[in-house]
Amino acid sequence: DAGVIQSPRHEVTEMGQEVTLRCKPISGHNSLFWYRQTMMRGLELLIYFNNNVPIDDSGMPEDRFSAKMPNASFSTLKIQPSEPRDSAVYFCASTQVHSGLYQETQYFGPGTRLLVL
Amino acid sequence: EDQVTQSPEALRLQEGESSSLNCSYTVSGLRGLFWYRQDPGKGPEFLFTLYSAGEEKEKERLKATLTKKESFLHITAPKPEDSATYLCAVQAGGSEKLVFGKGTKLTVNP
Repeated sequence: DAGVIQSPRHEVTEMGQEVTLRCKPISGHNSLFWYRQTMMRGLELLIYFNNNVPIDDSGMPEDRFSAKMPNASFSTLKIQPSEPRDSAVYFCASTQVHSGLYQETQYFGPGTRLLVL
Repeated sequence: EDQVTQSPEALRLQEGESSSLNCSYTVSGLRGLFWYRQDPGKGPEFLFTLYSAGEEKEKERLKATLTKKESFLHITAPKPEDSATYLCAVQAGGSEKLVFGKGTKLTVNP
């Protein structure tokens, strides 16, 4: 298995531009998570999906952030407009959640390093 | 609110010098405690899951233990390739979310 795939791996953009991050979860996994990692705040959950449905987006910092999962094999995280404080590493992770919320291991992608100038 | 605190923030060891990393947590009904390893420029890599107090798991030079308030990651006779940031996370009952600590950056000098 190729694991969780994220693209792009690096993104440099200017303030005000739209940024779209992409994620392909591991085949067969039914839950997908978007995280943001910074030195100051560590690894923070932004949003997660179960069976393609957004379950909890309480970690999304503000309305400039949006996420979609149109099918079981693809998800996007969009920032519009981007700001310098959005600079961070964004990770996608997937897992199989069973009934009763028993969760197997979350497998992480390699991350997208975003720099907003 | 569920919280995870890891200590120390950074740890330097000589090769062969055993030590432990600490993960203290407060959570409403622990469903699982997870340990991950993260190398620079990469995503976190799963190490262990512990589910109940008293449980222990081992992998090579690493052993994870769990009590009702904290978990320890014991590193026995570490090697330079064990250098990484070690992350601890908890899953609370009734949630699919993992709450992560900020990690311990371990450096093992040859």
